[in-house]
Amino acid sequence: DIQMTQSPSYLSASVGDRVTITCRASQGTGNSLAWYQQKPGKVPQLLIYAASTLQPGVPSRFSGSGSGTDFTLTISSLQPEDAASYYCQRYGRGPWTFGQGTKVEI
Amino acid sequence: QVQLVQSGAEIKKPGASVKVSCKTSGYTFIDYHIHWVRWAPGQGLEWMGWISSNKGDTNYAQKYQGRVTITRDTSINTVYMELRSLTSDDTAVFFCARDDSRDPLNAYDFWGQGTVVTVSS
Repeated sequence: DIQMTQSPSYLSASVGDRVTITCRASQGTGNSLAWYQQKPGKVPQLLIYAASTLQPGVPSRFSGSGSGTDFTLTISSLQPEDAASYYCQRYGRGPWTFGQGTKVEI
Repeated sequence: QVQLVQSGAEIKKPGASVKVSCKTSGYTFIDYHIHWVRWAPGQGLEWMGWISSNKGDTNYAQKYQGRVTITRDTSINTVYMELRSLTSDDTAVFFCARDDSRDPLNAYDFWGQGTVVTVSS
C-alpha cells in the first residue's frame, strides 16, 4: 500500500504567518491528492483536491501544489480560525490513505 | 441539500459487533461511492473502505479485511458499516463520506456527522 508521510506533525505559528505543510507518498499518486481541515470535535472539511484545486467556499489563502510523490499545503496568511489539524489523503485506485496529520496552533 | 446522516452513538462490549448506518439524501445515490473513515484521538484519520452505491462493489483497507463489511440498501439510500470482534482499540468516531464515482479527481465533498463507538467491558 502507498504510505503518506506528513511533516511536521505539529507547528506553532502567529497570525499573518505563511505556513507550509508537506506530504510525501511512498509511490507516485499522480495528482490524486486532497487536503482536509479538522477542527476539534468537528467533521473534516475538504480544502483542496486534485493536488491544487480549491474546494468552493474555501478561503483563497489556502493553496496546494505538487504531483507524483511530493505535495504541499500552504496557508499564505494564517488566521485564528485556521487552528486545526490538517490531513493529506491520496485517492483513486487502491487504498485512500491519509497522512498522520499536522496540528497547527496559533 | 446533500445530507449524510449517521446512526447514534453505540456502547459495545469487547468481542461484540457494531453496525453503523449512513442515510443519504439530496443527490442521486448511485452516482457516489460511500467511504468509512475512523478517527481516534492521537491517531488521526484512517480510511477503512468504500462501497460502490451503484454496483455494491467493495474495497477494504488491509487492516480491516475480514473484520469489516460495508453494505448498502438502494431502496432507502443507506449504507451500513459493520465491524466485528471489537476491542477497546476500536473506540473511535466513525464517519461516512461520499466521493463522486463519475469524477476520478474528486475527493470527499460531504461527510456524515460521525458516530461515536465506545468499546468497554
